[in-house]
This record gives sequence, structure tokens and C-alpha cells, in this order.
Amino acid sequence: AQTVTQSQPEMSVQEAETVTLSCTYDTSENNYYLFWYKQPPSRQMILVIRQEAYKQQNATENRFSVNFQKAAKSFSLKISDSQLGDTAMYFCAFMKYTNAGKSTFGDGTTLTVKP
Amino acid sequence: EAGVAQSPRYKIIEKRQSVAFWCNPISGHATLYWYQQILGQGPKLLIQFQNNGVVDDSQLPKDRFSAERLKGVDSTLKIQPAKLEDSAVYLCASSLASGMVTQYFGPGTRLTVL
Repeated sequence: AQTVTQSQPEMSVQEAETVTLSCTYDTSENNYYLFWYKQPPSRQMILVIRQEAYKQQNATENRFSVNFQKAAKSFSLKISDSQLGDTAMYFCAFMKYTNAGKSTFGDGTTLTVKP
Repeated sequence: EAGVAQSPRYKIIEKRQSVAFWCNPISGHATLYWYQQILGQGPKLLIQFQNNGVVDDSQLPKDRFSAERLKGVDSTLKIQPAKLEDSAVYLCASSLASGMVTQYFGPGTRLTVL
């Protein structure tokens, strides 16, 4: 079974600064997807970024980028130029290629962006 | 495009009562998921439907939880009887088809069992 660990329950960052959220996972699979989801307070969860394990290049979406270290089973999210609207719970998630759709989530990191 | 709809948004019941949640996925999405998110934890998949068939219900507590998607569109998740530990947010998500990795989530139903 896969496990996803987010070791930082809470983090804070000043507006316009950069912050990195950590995620490690455990799997025996070679092919899989990794995701970061954002869940703002009282609002629905949305996909921030995804990474396919076979791709060596780290995924980037505007101010969001990942550092994917397959051998270390590490998948961190970097948020640059943090904005107040980035305040949310962030979840790291894992999905096997062979069971696309079934995601295993970490327990989340609460990020607060301070003005 | 309308998103995933869920109702009610909030529900408070007493233990041993029954409760039902409704989800309407994005139009045309064949795959529907129900997740349970306990406070302080990540979502846990309860059941996955492909059209009106069950793909995975391995983590659904079948002695008290049931779910259906009779016409392959909207879905209902029921708990009967509820326990205190069922207090959680119940999230519905959909994707275009099984094997499509992008899931779209609804706003969730927050259940409190007293």
C-alpha cells in the first residue's frame, strides 16, 4: 500500500516571499502520478500541479513549481511570490498508473500567508 | 461549465440516526468518487463509480454505509446508523472517465454526529 507523509502540519510565510511545502511517499511502483491540491477555507479542493513519475523535468504552473526526487521519494511544492489568496490547506497525493483515479492523500499542510 | 454540486452543505444528526448526501457531477463525467475527510486528515476514498457500476468500494464500511448511482449521473451516499466517528466532510469528485487523472471536487458536506 502507498503512504503519503506531509511532515509540516502548519506553515506561514510573508506576502511576496517564497515557501516550500514538503511531501514524501512510499511505494514500490515505478509509474505513478503525484499531485498537489489546494483547499481554501470553506471552499472546494482544486488541483494546483501534477507530476508524472516518468518525467525528469519538474512541473511548473505559474508561481507554483515542484522538486521531484524520485529516488528519494520526495515531492515538494514551492510557492513563489506568495499571495494572500494562497492561504489554504495543501494536500500532496499519489496515484498509481495502473489504478488511475484512486488517490492516496497526505494529511495536509495549513499554509497562512501574512500581509 | 457548472462544477460538482453537493447537498446539503451541512448536516447535524444524533448517533444512530440516518443521513443521506447527494452529489451531481460535472455533465458528461463518467467517473464519480466519494471521499471521507476527517478533521486534520486527508481525504480517504470510500467508493468509485464508473457510470452506474462500482469500480472500487474496498474502503467503504458496508455495514453502515451505502452508495448508489442508479442512472450513471447523480449519486447518493447514505449512512445508517451513524456513529460519532462518522463526523467528517464528505467530498464528491468526478472525472471525465476512469483512467483520467484529473479529478474535480465539490464543496463537500460537513456532517456532525452528536
